Amino acid sequence: GAVVSQHPSWVICKSGTSVKIECRSLDFQATTMFWYRQFPKQSLMLMATSNEGSKATYEQGVEKDKFLINHASLTLSTLTVTSAHPEDSSFYICSPSQGEGTQYFGPGTRLLVL
Amino acid sequence: DAKTTQPTSMDCAEGRAANLPCNHSTISGNEYVYWYRQIHSQGPQYIIHGLKNNETNEMASLIITEDRKSSTLILPHATLRDTAVYYCIVTPGNQFYFGTGTSLTVIP
Repeated sequence: GAVVSQHPSWVICKSGTSVKIECRSLDFQATTMFWYRQFPKQSLMLMATSNEGSKATYEQGVEKDKFLINHASLTLSTLTVTSAHPEDSSFYICSPSQGEGTQYFGPGTRLLVL
Repeated sequence: DAKTTQPTSMDCAEGRAANLPCNHSTISGNEYVYWYRQIHSQGPQYIIHGLKNNETNEMASLIITEDRKSSTLILPHATLRDTAVYYCIVTPGNQFYFGTGTSLTVIP
């Protein structure tokens, strides 16, 4: 399968600060990037979809001004949680894709906002 | 939105086959059945997928009914490391929505 990395693997921050999470596809070029979040004991929820060089499309209920997605290259996408609050504490997972077909997922980033 | 129904949890004895069912009665003709699993605090891991025919790989077998309204993932010889949440997803291949999955516990 595809090799996907995320950085950092975990992060603790103070309320009100911004946190940037990086996702890299190491062995293929990702024209599309999916970002998910997962709260404890719940399933993965798709947050947004971005195509390289275009603005992201957000799922209903996800604030686009709070979760900034940059997909400037075919191997790197970033998710920035702006002005983080404790309710943003979650497990964030990226999934780079070549458009269609099997999706591979990153190892996830655990965010804890104090 | 997830279009699958799976049992919430299942147990399986180590060394025995684990059979995980999934109902997807509203599946469309162009949608595949994908299976992933998620071990605690990790990203989902791809297992197998199929369209109409049964499929087998080194990890598992996928049995899809003829009407395609349900499928079964088979782990032939479950080990303790197979304890995870297993997700069945139907998709044409461009977006993957996760349901609640089945929490499989392999018992020694």
